[in-house]
Amino acid sequence: DAGVTQSPTHLIKTRGQQVTLRCSPKSGHDTVSWYQQALGQGPQFIFQYYEEEERQRGNFPDRFSGHQFPNYSSELNVNALLLGDSALYLCASSPMLAKNIQYFGAGTRLSVL
Amino acid sequence: DQQVKQNSPSLSVQEGRISILNCDYTNSMFDYFLWYKKYPAEGPTFLISISSIKDKNEDGRFTVFLNKSAKHLSLHIVPSQPGDSAVYFCAASGEGGGADGLTFGKGTHLIIQP
Repeated sequence: DAGVTQSPTHLIKTRGQQVTLRCSPKSGHDTVSWYQQALGQGPQFIFQYYEEEERQRGNFPDRFSGHQFPNYSSELNVNALLLGDSALYLCASSPMLAKNIQYFGAGTRLSVL
Repeated sequence: DQQVKQNSPSLSVQEGRISILNCDYTNSMFDYFLWYKKYPAEGPTFLISISSIKDKNEDGRFTVFLNKSAKHLSLHIVPSQPGDSAVYFCAASGEGGGADGLTFGKGTHLIIQP
């Protein structure tokens, strides 16, 4: 049973560019959440998707957007990249009935130069 | 303003002894608390959780204690093993079953010494 998978593993972009990160949830999970983890910090909640809609959003600007597909997989898009967007981006999935316990992927390490 | 605080960036414990990791929170709307363990180059792995209606939850070597009046929880690992060396994150969620996403502390780096 595959867990949460994320791609790519690493990514290097320059300021002003746009990036798309991808996530496939654990089998049987229909809710996907995205987090940003800066160096030395805990993960920070970006937003959560369920039934192909953004359900909740943390304190992140509109440059951060997402999408969920009918197969429950999800994308995180970041526009107009800033140096401060350099971080580990984590995807987590959970089943609708037990949303509190979220299962994480290994993350995508984004470096903005 | 940090709503979940882990005030010890690191903790060193001898193998076989008890490891105690602490976490404080400020938001009284939090009603579910979780501990995650993270190894380098891996995502956080769920360890154990506790609902605000309980004050203790145990799973093998791991026990989480919740003191609601003090807004404090702790994770006890007994006995500590070398494989327990990792960064431990405390997380909390509010009403709505996690619909707000999890709020994490900054983590505590646990080092188990032989």
